Amino acid sequence: NAGVTQTPKFQVLKTGQSMTLQCAQDMNHEYMSWYRQDPGMGLRLIHYSVGAGITDQGEVPNGYNVSRSTTEDFPLRLLSAAPSQTSVYFCASSYSSPDYRTEAFFGQGTRLTVV
Amino acid sequence: GNSVTQMEGPVTLSEEAFLTINCTYTATGYPSLFWYVQYPGEGLQLLLKATKADDKGSNKGFEATYRKETTSFHLEKGSVQVSDSAVYFCALGKAAGNKLTFGGGTRVLVKP
Repeated sequence: NAGVTQTPKFQVLKTGQSMTLQCAQDMNHEYMSWYRQDPGMGLRLIHYSVGAGITDQGEVPNGYNVSRSTTEDFPLRLLSAAPSQTSVYFCASSYSSPDYRTEAFFGQGTRLTVV
Repeated sequence: GNSVTQMEGPVTLSEEAFLTINCTYTATGYPSLFWYVQYPGEGLQLLLKATKADDKGSNKGFEATYRKETTSFHLEKGSVQVSDSAVYFCALGKAAGNKLTFGGGTRVLVKP
């Protein structure tokens, strides 16, 4: 019963490097999202997707790209890492409902440090 | 835009004490409201939710009531245990994609 799986769990990058954070869900959820968690600021939405082939920006999208080629996978790409992107990243998925009132299921998180 | 404000922590309690974490929100229309809990080193788990005014969500001894007149969703537990030590997040959900807006989180430490 995997749920939402994120890899890697920890990562250290040098400024300017690129990398992809992986996220996969096995619940056949339509909706997937990426959040970053910073101290005292809760979680903030980076990008989200309402289905395969459809993505949109959240509150803090700059410096991040996403794509959704399958229902299961929603990778987050950092094109040129900056120290301000040091954070804990969470992927979430949820099923759709007519009134959008469903809860999200979260992965275990990826702790990223940019030096 | 949407926003969620919750009391800052840390909140330190003794076992069997009463816990309240205040949460207020700003949103247009009728959002859904959630409490998520994050145990050390783990991701977020749904604790409880309420989808319309006057709904009461409950789970594991925790309760919260959706109060539209005061735009609040305060979390309460009558007798906390050491195992309740965690960070608690209030959140509202609205619109397509089930996008969530989170409060800043409240760290709770329960001492034996």
